[in-house]
Order: sequence, then structure tokens, then C-alpha cells
Amino acid sequence: GQNIDQPTEMTATEGAIVQINCTYQTSGFNGLFWYQQHAGEAPTFLSYNVLDGLEEKGRFSSFLSRSKGYSYLLLKELQMKDSASYLCASMDSNYQLIWGAGTKLIIKP
Amino acid sequence: GAVVSQHPSWVICKSGTSVKIECRSLDFQATTMFWYRQFPKQSLMLMATSNEGSKATYEQGVEKDKFLINHASLTLSTLTVTSAHPEDSSFYICSAKVLSDTEQYFGPGTRLTVT
Repeated sequence: GQNIDQPTEMTATEGAIVQINCTYQTSGFNGLFWYQQHAGEAPTFLSYNVLDGLEEKGRFSSFLSRSKGYSYLLLKELQMKDSASYLCASMDSNYQLIWGAGTKLIIKP
Repeated sequence: GAVVSQHPSWVICKSGTSVKIECRSLDFQATTMFWYRQFPKQSLMLMATSNEGSKATYEQGVEKDKFLINHASLTLSTLTVTSAHPEDSSFYICSAKVLSDTEQYFGPGTRLTVT
């Protein structure tokens, strides 16, 4: 079956670094997406990885290992506005997104 | 670019009535639109995938006669919740993509409350 696993909740301190992990099992693979979702709002795109390795985009970086079915989202210099849910989604062979349940990130001052 | 709008942003309706939600791609032509539902503290659940000019493909467990989807043009898809019940209260989100692109662009969502 198809499955996406990510932690339910994480807590971090303002200014620190946090890594949110995601493991996936999907029928075929056409890339791994990370989205940010603030409460009551729609998801916004953060990153897309289809090749192994690290993609850096400002304070956010995303890593993919296809052989391990594993990805992580790394957030640096955390700000209070980064408090949100972070959704991992794998695109399967039909180009359909399979979503994880999301990781709620709580930032403390 | 790649802006998707939804209307209305929120709606309250009485049990038994029908509600129509519009999803528009404002600055691109969307070959495919997706409709999602999200209950509080849960992830997105794909309800159906619609391609312009053809019938929508519904996910298992989603009643196609209750959730009517029309994708009449490359910029507009509508979801009609028929005979709404309180358990249909949820956050409905659409997304759109073009054939050659892997990314889905999300609308802002519609909060439906059925009383």
C-alpha cells in the first residue's frame, strides 16, 4: 500500500534549527513535495525533490534519498512565523500526490 | 503567476441544502484540478481529480452523486455539495496543475459549515 509517515508534532526554539523527517512508500515515484500550512489556510509550496541530495532555498532545505524512501525538511534560524503544519507528499506513478498527516511545528521564544 | 482562487471563502448552509464552490485558475490554463477535504487536525484527503471536458475521477469512499464536480473550462471547476449534512462541514481546498508541470497550485480553501 501507499504510506507517508512523519512525526505528529515537534517543538523548537526561536533561532534554532529543526529537522522534520518523512518516510514514504508509494506506487512509483515522481518526486517528494513539502508544503507549509498555517491553521485555517491552504498549503503553500516549499520544495520539490526528485533527485537524491539536498536542495537549499534560503532558510529552508529539503533532502531526498530515493533508495531509503526518506526525506527531511530542515528549517534554520527559526522564526515565530514558522509555527505551522508541514506536510510531506509523495507523487506516485499516476502523478497523484499522496499526503502525510502533517507535522505541527511549535516555535517557542 | 500561478494563482488559484476559490469562492466563497466560507459558507454556512442549512442541512439538506446544496452548496456550490468555485475554483478558478486566474493566470494559467489548468488541465487538471483536484478537490481535497480537510477535517480539523487532519491531512488533506483527495476527493476527486477532474480533467477539463471529462468526467471527474472520484476516490474510493467519495459519493459522486453527493459531490458533483464540473470542470467546464480550463480555468474553472466547481464542486457542488448536494443535500449537505453537518458531517460535510469541513475545509474544502482545490488545486490546479498544467499537464507539463508536476506542481499543484492551491486555492485558499472554502470553509463549509452545515447547521
